[in-house]
Amino acid sequence: DAGVTQSPTHLIKTRGQQVTLRCSPKSGHDTVSWYQQALGQGPQFIFQYYEEEERQRGNFPDRFSGHQFPNYSSELNVNALLLGDSALYLCASSSVMNEQYFGPGTRLTVT
Amino acid sequence: GNSVTQMEGPVTLSEEAFLTINCTYTATGYPSLFWYVQYPGEGLQLLLKATKADDKGSNKGFEATYRKETTSFHLEKGSVQVSDSAVYFCALMIYNFNKFYFGSGTKLNVKP
Repeated sequence: DAGVTQSPTHLIKTRGQQVTLRCSPKSGHDTVSWYQQALGQGPQFIFQYYEEEERQRGNFPDRFSGHQFPNYSSELNVNALLLGDSALYLCASSSVMNEQYFGPGTRLTVT
Repeated sequence: GNSVTQMEGPVTLSEEAFLTINCTYTATGYPSLFWYVQYPGEGLQLLLKATKADDKGSNKGFEATYRKETTSFHLEKGSVQVSDSAVYFCALMIYNFNKFYFGSGTKLNVKP
């Protein structure tokens, strides 16, 4: 079992650009959550996907959007990137009544 | 609302010293409590958890007890090792919402 995988590992973008991050959940998991971890901070919940729909959302602007595919994998899209979007983006997968497993993260740098 | 407060770091200890990292929480429901560890350049790893009051989570010599009366979940280890150097995050999750609230993290440095 590969666990939760994320791609790419690192990414450098310029202000105003758009970025897509990808996550494959652990085998058997159907729920994917995304978190933003700024340097020196704890992870902040962005949103959660279940059955291809956004089920919950944290306090993030509409520039942050996502998608879940029929195979439960997920994408996080960020439009109009700001310097403050530089962070480690973590994906976590789970299934009903089971704990969440975190992926290794994607380090996004906006210049 | 829901939030987690943990002691600021960094915490610097000598090998074999006793470790305590304080964590307190506020929650609108009845939370489960967790400690995660993050090694440099890596994601989060679950260290231990407790799902109800007075439960004690333990793993790899680390322990934490769910104290509802003091809304706390302090992390302890009797004898730290250099390999324990990492950032430790306290977190809560309200049952059935499946969404974590994390503290800001405490960096632990253990010197040989």
